Amino acid sequence: QKEVEQNSGPLSVPEGAIASLNCTYSDRGSQSFFWYRQYSGKSPELIMFIYSNGDKEDGRFTAQLNKASQYVSLLIRDSQPSDSATYLCAVNLNDYKLSFGAGTTVTVRA
Amino acid sequence: DTGVSQDPRHKITKRGQNVTFRCDPISEHNRLYWYRQTLGQGPEFLTYFQNEAQLEKSRLLSDRFSAERPKGSFSTLEIQRTEQGDSAMYLCASSLSPGELFFGEGSRLTVL
Repeated sequence: QKEVEQNSGPLSVPEGAIASLNCTYSDRGSQSFFWYRQYSGKSPELIMFIYSNGDKEDGRFTAQLNKASQYVSLLIRDSQPSDSATYLCAVNLNDYKLSFGAGTTVTVRA
Repeated sequence: DTGVSQDPRHKITKRGQNVTFRCDPISEHNRLYWYRQTLGQGPEFLTYFQNEAQLEKSRLLSDRFSAERPKGSFSTLEIQRTEQGDSAMYLCASSLSPGELFFGEGSRLTVL
């Protein structure tokens, strides 16, 4: 079983719609969760992190965490063409090892 | 520029040769990571330094891989006797907090 699993996509949404990305993880002891965005040909960049159950909002992005279900999600509201990228879910397995999923590719149609 | 810098950005080598990559982290960051990424996959953890101490090395790494971070500043990743399967993007990242990584632009390795 992979440590972090994501739907690879591609996920295609019209401009202005909500993009919903999902991630599950295997280690029940994981404590912190991250979403990175990676544009084609570029390096990953951190966009959000969440530590507690519930929702965390930052601008157009909302991260949701459900530790009982071992489930993390990212919502992108009012999607823009500039949001077209691969979104990587990452889970801290301990103090120093961040394990990444394979990523979900999002395409926002103008 | 105060970001993470990596050198070289691209390296083409023949199978069996040794290659070395350098990473200069953000100056105030004591945590430094090396990851490897192949097409369609997320970054795969290779190793972690806290200051100059290498605290974790992936079991996926063979003995051909070695990393150093002398004096807790820049780091080098050396691959000996390269194989075609080593072809990948090698990403360096630094941070102050666990998980909140700042990545460099990466060093792309092509082994012929």
